[in-house]
Amino acid sequence: ETGVTQSPTHLIKTRGQQVTLRCSSQSGHNTVSWYQQALGQGPQFIFQYYREEENGRGNFPPRFSGLQFPNYSSELNVNALELDDSALYLCASSLGRQGENHGYTFGSGTRLTVV
Amino acid sequence: QKEVEQNSGPLSVPEGAIASLNCTYSDRVSQSFFWYRQYSGKSPELIMSIYSNGDKEDGRFTAQLNKASQYVSLLIRDSQPSDSATYLCAVKALGSARQLTFGSGTQLTVLP
Repeated sequence: ETGVTQSPTHLIKTRGQQVTLRCSSQSGHNTVSWYQQALGQGPQFIFQYYREEENGRGNFPPRFSGLQFPNYSSELNVNALELDDSALYLCASSLGRQGENHGYTFGSGTRLTVV
Repeated sequence: QKEVEQNSGPLSVPEGAIASLNCTYSDRVSQSFFWYRQYSGKSPELIMSIYSNGDKEDGRFTAQLNKASQYVSLLIRDSQPSDSATYLCAVKALGSARQLTFGSGTQLTVLP
């Protein structure tokens, strides 16, 4: 059983640019959640995708957007990057929109640095 | 008031001692509670989950939940230097996404 994989592992972007981060779900999982973890903080929920549709969103502006594909892999897009977007971006997959009661397993994350 | 609060630490314990990590949460209807361990530069790793009041033991780890007091804790017995990490408490919401709400973490150092 393959786990959650994310790419790239590290990324450096300039303020104002756009970035796309990618996540491949664990085999059989149809739900993907994205989190942002700033230095010294706990992860913050960005949004979740279930069967290719957004299924909940945290307190993030519209310049954070996402996609989920038919194979359940996912992208996180951030437009007009700001310095405060520098963080570790985490992806987690799960089975079912609400049925699971257990915790999520995260991918290894993408470290984004905005300069 | 933050939704999930943890002792900010850092917490230092000698090798072999018991490390006690605490967490309180504000949403009374929360149902699921988790502890994650995060090594520096790595992603969080799920180590314990608890859903019912009382204790749950897994090896050297014991999670304790008291829903009336809105309190969850993690005890690490026989602490090892390899346990040195940041420990994150997380609570699962009842929203449509069942997203996790995390505390800001407690940094634990186990001294050899």
